[in-house]
Amino acid sequence: EAQVTQNPRYLITVTGKKLTVTCSQNMNHEYMSWYRQDPGLGLRQIYYSMNVEVTDKGDVPEGYKVSRKEKRNFPLILESPSPNQTSLYFCASSFQGTSGRYTQYFGPGTRLTVL
Amino acid sequence: AQSVTQLGSHVSVSEGALVLLRCNYSSSVPPYLFWYVQYPNQGLQLLLKYTSAATLVKGINGFEAEFKKSETSFHLTKPSAHMSDAAEYFCAVSDTGANSKLTFGKGITLSVRP
Repeated sequence: EAQVTQNPRYLITVTGKKLTVTCSQNMNHEYMSWYRQDPGLGLRQIYYSMNVEVTDKGDVPEGYKVSRKEKRNFPLILESPSPNQTSLYFCASSFQGTSGRYTQYFGPGTRLTVL
Repeated sequence: AQSVTQLGSHVSVSEGALVLLRCNYSSSVPPYLFWYVQYPNQGLQLLLKYTSAATLVKGINGFEAEFKKSETSFHLTKPSAHMSDAAEYFCAVSDTGANSKLTFGKGITLSVRP
């Protein structure tokens, strides 16, 4: 079954304590991305990766880091979390075929609370 | 720079009525445009995507959207609303391709009245 998994699904932490949210896909997709969702602000892209070792900033990259050492994994790292990073986070992977067909899958989300 | 405007935060329709969710974009180049749906307490799902092949794009669940360059719009429609369509809908734009930087609108919540 094609899927994007995120861990943990829920996390409550304190300001300044480094954390990593993992994202893994089993579809061999080259493209992966991270988003945060906040009430009234919709979704905002944090980082995206077009392939292994290729990452780029989205609209709100401040306070986040990512790495893409292997195709299936794209972890999101918060080196020093702050309360304004309390949010619902989604990871996604996608593929654009040569025929033009486009498929995209989202993970189930990670609800992060930073106290 | 790319941006998306979804006017209004909430739309309510009766079951069987036309659904029209508006999206206007700003892009300095021919854009890639997307509509997503998020059902309550679930993740996102891609409804449809425009990439210049055809101005009228058909998606899943009976939804379609029409790209109008002169109006910089990509409104989402469905002829007859079902109760199961109640969800939040997001429009998104990319200047550089389907697999690159993506900017979302703030979303519209669709309610369907029996």
